Parts: sequence; C-alpha cells; structure tokens
Amino acid sequence: GNSVTQMEGPVTLSEEAFLTINCTYTATGYPSLFWYVQYPGEGLQLLLKATKADDKGSNKGFEATYRKETTSFHLEKGSVQVSDSAVYFCALSPFYNQGGKLIFGQGTELSVKP
Amino acid sequence: EAQVTQNPRYLITVTGKKLTVTCSQNMNHEYMSWYRQDPGLGLRQIYYSMNVEVTDKGDVPEGYKVSRKEKRNFPLILESPSPNQTSLYFCASSPSGSNTGELFFGEGSRLTVL
Repeated sequence: GNSVTQMEGPVTLSEEAFLTINCTYTATGYPSLFWYVQYPGEGLQLLLKATKADDKGSNKGFEATYRKETTSFHLEKGSVQVSDSAVYFCALSPFYNQGGKLIFGQGTELSVKP
Repeated sequence: EAQVTQNPRYLITVTGKKLTVTCSQNMNHEYMSWYRQDPGLGLRQIYYSMNVEVTDKGDVPEGYKVSRKEKRNFPLILESPSPNQTSLYFCASSPSGSNTGELFFGEGSRLTVL
C-alpha cells in the first residue's frame, strides 16, 4: 500500500541553522509528493510539491527533491528563522488517485529559537 | 479572499449528542474532503466529494456522515458522537481531485466528546 514516513520530532534548532526533515515513501507507480506546513492555530498550507522523479520543489527558501531511487523527498532549508516554527507534513498523492486523497506522514514539529 | 471556512472552531459536547461541523468554500472548487488529525497519525481522510451529490468514503468513515447539496458546502455530521471522535478536523477543497493538485485547508475544528 501507500504510506509516508517522516522523522520524528520535535526538532529544535537555533536561528540560521541548517534544516533537514527526512521523508520516505512507499507507493506504486509514480505518485506526486508534497510538503505542507501548519502554523500554530492554522490549517495546513502547501509549501512545495514535485510531480515526477528528479523534480525539485522550492518555496520560501525551502527545497525538496523527488528521489525515486531512494523513495525520498527530504525537506531542506539553509538558514531557518523563528518564523519557520511550525509542524511540517510530508504527503503523497497516488498516481491512480481514487478520491483525490493525500496520504500524510505523522508530521514533524520544528521549533526555532532566537 | 479565497478561503475554506469551518464552524465551529472549537466544540465540547457529550456522547450521543448529534452535531454538525459546517464547511464552506468560495473558490468554486468541485472537490471537497474531510480529514481528522490525531497525534502520531498525521491526517486521515474521512469522506470526500468529487462534485454536487457525489460523495464517497475515505479511510476512516465510521461514525460520520456527509452531504453535498451545494457546490460550496460540505458539512460533516456526527449522528451520535463518541469519545474516540475527539480530534482536530479539517475540511479541504481543490479544483478537481487530481493527483497533482493542491488542497486548500480550512483552519480546523477542534472537537472534544466527553
């Protein structure tokens, strides 16, 4: 079946540190991959996405590359800010998607200290 | 402003007392869906709707009902709530249920069933 596994949190970093949040997936065919971010008290919002192998999604200084050979979609940012503190969800959308469903990882909480 | 609006945002109720969580979107999206978010489990799909009068079960539909009489509204109904339905609920919409599309989320409804 389809599944997403994220590194466990919480992750605590100092401002300007380098961020990596690992995400690996299991899927048949060629899924689309997403990172969503949830700021405190808010709904999820799309951060970036990649729809085919070797695609790199990027937004707000965050990047993730769709690696089919390692079934991974790790999120990276070179220099985090306090405002990046949030919960980050990796998700996939199966190629043959009945129900428009996204399959989410369990989420990784990031806390950035000044 | 394009948005998905849920009400109520917070609710405490008792076992067996029927309740409805409303969801409305102003983006003319065909596709709408409900998710629940639980610690360590990420988000799981409850029900979805590909268009007016077309609804179907997601991964965790037990104890819930939905209806889609109008394109903009997709209420979630708990006929007889139980404590295991205590959760954070999100409504989401998108232009279609395609596998490459972005989901737009509401701000969430935190439900506690005593």
